[in-house]
Amino acid sequence: EDQVTQSPEALRLQEGESSSLNCSYTVSGLRGLFWYRQDPGKGPEFLFTLYSAGEEKEKERLKATLTKKESFLHITAPKPEDSATYLCAAPRENRDDKIIFGKGTRLHILP
Amino acid sequence: KAGVTQTPRYLIKTRGQQVTLSCSPISGHRSVSWYQQTPGQGLQFLFEYFSETQRNKGNFPGRFSGRQFSNSRSEMNVSTLELGDSALYLCASSSGTLNTGELFFGEGSRLTVL
Repeated sequence: EDQVTQSPEALRLQEGESSSLNCSYTVSGLRGLFWYRQDPGKGPEFLFTLYSAGEEKEKERLKATLTKKESFLHITAPKPEDSATYLCAAPRENRDDKIIFGKGTRLHILP
Repeated sequence: KAGVTQTPRYLIKTRGQQVTLSCSPISGHRSVSWYQQTPGQGLQFLFEYFSETQRNKGNFPGRFSGRQFSNSRSEMNVSTLELGDSALYLCASSSGTLNTGELFFGEGSRLTVL
């Protein structure tokens, strides 16, 4: 069964304390891995798409990487404004549930 | 550039009623997809419309339906509401296929079923 699993469920960090969020997936014929940020009361905001193992993408303090089994979202020297829920997702070709999402990691950065 | 607009933002219904939610995509985007978000199940794909045709469908019962108009605006309808339909319903628009992941989400319509 195709699955996207994120860990940890929640993470509290001090401002400036770098860490990584994990997204492991079992999706046959993976065609991409997406990362989104969601603030309370808002819709998700697209961050990155990774297409192949070894690929990396960066945006400000965020860097996403992809291996054959998992993806990591590294947060370097986070600030309180980085507090949000981070979601990863994967598309499925020619299947129901076109996109499957992980349950997210709630990140809280303490000032 | 205006973002994705969803209406209404909040609504309360009772079991057995039906509801229609509306989504206006970003100008020029022809793909509109819908999602249900609940604390227990997270974000789940409902369906996608492209140029007025349903292109993909998630694993939801037939009570959930949608349509897209020639101006790319989309509506989704839920009939015979159940308590478990209480959720945040999100729509997203895209200029291309869902495979790029580059979706622009609205702020959602929060449905409460009593």
